[in-house]
Parts: sequence; C-alpha cells; structure tokens
Amino acid sequence: DAKTTQPPSMDCAEGRAANLPCNHSTISGNEYVYWYRQIHSQGPQYIIHGLKNNETNEMASLIITEDRKSSTLILPHATLRDTAVYYCIVRARSSGSRLTFGEGTQLTVNP
Amino acid sequence: SQTIHQWPATLVQPVGSPLSLECTVEGTSNPNLYWYRQAAGRGLQLLFYSVGIGQISSEVPQNLSASRPQDRQFILSSKKLLLSDSGFYLCAWSLGGTIYFGEGSWLTVV
Repeated sequence: DAKTTQPPSMDCAEGRAANLPCNHSTISGNEYVYWYRQIHSQGPQYIIHGLKNNETNEMASLIITEDRKSSTLILPHATLRDTAVYYCIVRARSSGSRLTFGEGTQLTVNP
Repeated sequence: SQTIHQWPATLVQPVGSPLSLECTVEGTSNPNLYWYRQAAGRGLQLLFYSVGIGQISSEVPQNLSASRPQDRQFILSSKKLLLSDSGFYLCAWSLGGTIYFGEGSWLTVV
C-alpha cells in the first residue's frame, strides 16, 4: 500500500469547515483513499473513501486531485465532537486484512 | 444497518489468568472478521482473521488464540496471560472492502 503524508496537527473553530490534507504521491491505479478517525480510547471510525471521483456522505466530503496524488477531507461544519486523530490510508481493496495507520492528523476543534 | 460490538471494554487481569474477549456483528452475513492490537504509537497489528465459521488464520505466533463458533461471533482467548499481552484490542469486520472497527477493549495485565 502506498505511503501517505499528513500534517501532525490542525486547529479549527467550531462551526467552520475543517480541511484535512493528505499526500499520496505513489498511489497506484487500483488503490483507494480511505479516511478514518479515532477519538482517544475508542476504536477507529470509518469516514469515507474514494478512488478518483469526489465523494460525499453524511459525515464528510472527500476531494481527490485529478492526478490522485493528494486529497482533502472536508468536515463542513466542525463540532467539538470532531476533535480526533484523522488517518488517511491508501489501500487496494484486494489488500484484505492489511491496514496500516500512519501518524495521522490531530484535529482540535476549538469553541 | 450493520453494527459491531465487543466486550468487555476494560479488563484488568493478573499474569497467568485466562482471557476471553468477545465480538459480535449484526446486520450482515458471512463477514470477514479480524482481531487487531493497537500499539501505543497508533500502529495496528493484525492478530487473527477469519473468512468463515471455524476458519481462523493467525498472523503472529503468540500467547493468544481465536475462535469463530458462529457466523457473526469472534472470540479472542488466552489460557495464561503475559504482561506483554497488555494493550488495546480491536475487533473488526468487512465484506471484502471497507473494514469497520468495534469500540475496542483495553486489557491491562498486572
């Protein structure tokens, strides 16, 4: 699976959009971009994933650049409960059980 | 919708005692099931995975074992815990694509 690079930490004001970047310049054609988040002492929570088109669900939007070398997770209206570590993972669906979390981005939403 | 539950959430056990962590998935059939351990630095280590009842694959030789007595039930066990077994254990499921995690179980061996 391709390696990803994320900023170690970010801050966001409550109610504003949180934009979390991720670089994955070595991504392969069959690899998806997945985002998870983990609140301290809880299991990782799946957020969203995409291959090359932008995706949106009830939690977030995922914007993938045309060359697929980077992406941005957007939380449109951040709340205090969105404070967590966010992980960007590049993974082929054929990877099966293999799932590697990097360092992630600690997002802190401030009141 | 599918849900996954694991228990207990927190466990403190003496060295040499047995262990049983349970996990159940609802709302799906024949899922792939996994046990991971998450290290302090957030890395995930796959311990066991199962593609069906009674089918268990072990990734790492260790003091733990896993069983899948029913389609949506996955159990992590040990006969005699070691201090090094302390950690955060995660049950997860998938249908071949996205992996979904349970709430996690904190195990402290004293």
